[in-house]
Amino acid sequence: DVKVTQSSRYLVKRTGEKVFLECVQDMDHENMFWYRQDPGLGLRLIYFSYDVKMKEKGDIPEGYSVSREKKERFSLILESASTNQTSMYLCASSLRLAGEYNEQFFGPGTRLTVL
Amino acid sequence: SQKIEQNSEALNIQEGKTATLTCNYTNYSPAYLQWYRQDPGRGPVFLLLIRENEKEKRKERLKVTFDTTLKQSLFHITASQPADSATYLCALGGYQKVTFGTGTKLQVIP
Repeated sequence: DVKVTQSSRYLVKRTGEKVFLECVQDMDHENMFWYRQDPGLGLRLIYFSYDVKMKEKGDIPEGYSVSREKKERFSLILESASTNQTSMYLCASSLRLAGEYNEQFFGPGTRLTVL
Repeated sequence: SQKIEQNSEALNIQEGKTATLTCNYTNYSPAYLQWYRQDPGRGPVFLLLIRENEKEKRKERLKVTFDTTLKQSLFHITASQPADSATYLCALGGYQKVTFGTGTKLQVIP
């Protein structure tokens, strides 16, 4: 089975702290994604990566950065956490096949609270 | 701008009946559409994909339709069960990424 794991289920940080959220997938997927999910707003794409060291901005990249040094690992970084970044963060991965449309496999999510 | 609409109100349905969920979109021409299920506190799980040139797709008790003229997809669960209670998300597909709707919460009452 495809497995996407996230480093923490729950995280509490203080305003201004640097926060790292880690995501690892074990299915050799090329594509990896970071979303945040908020009530009434649904899942919104922050960043995605289609290859090692490659990244693309999603719909709401402000205040975030990402790193993909290895194919299986995709990190989301909050350079200076703010209270409006309190949210559920979800990582996902998918295959990249030319001409195919592929399902995304999600991790369990990290609920981040910024105080 | 692109907009995806799913019923924000929860859908309550009696066990055994067919549940029908709606996904409407505007300012978008997706190549495909996906449906996901999400349980509380968990990540979404993929259910079905339908391409723009397909009208209908079935998988066990699930059926999805896709009308690119109406810009609408319907998601049906036949013979619904309490275990089907969850939030269902539609996602419109572009190259390598999708845009998600806000989801509809389905409650199947025994």
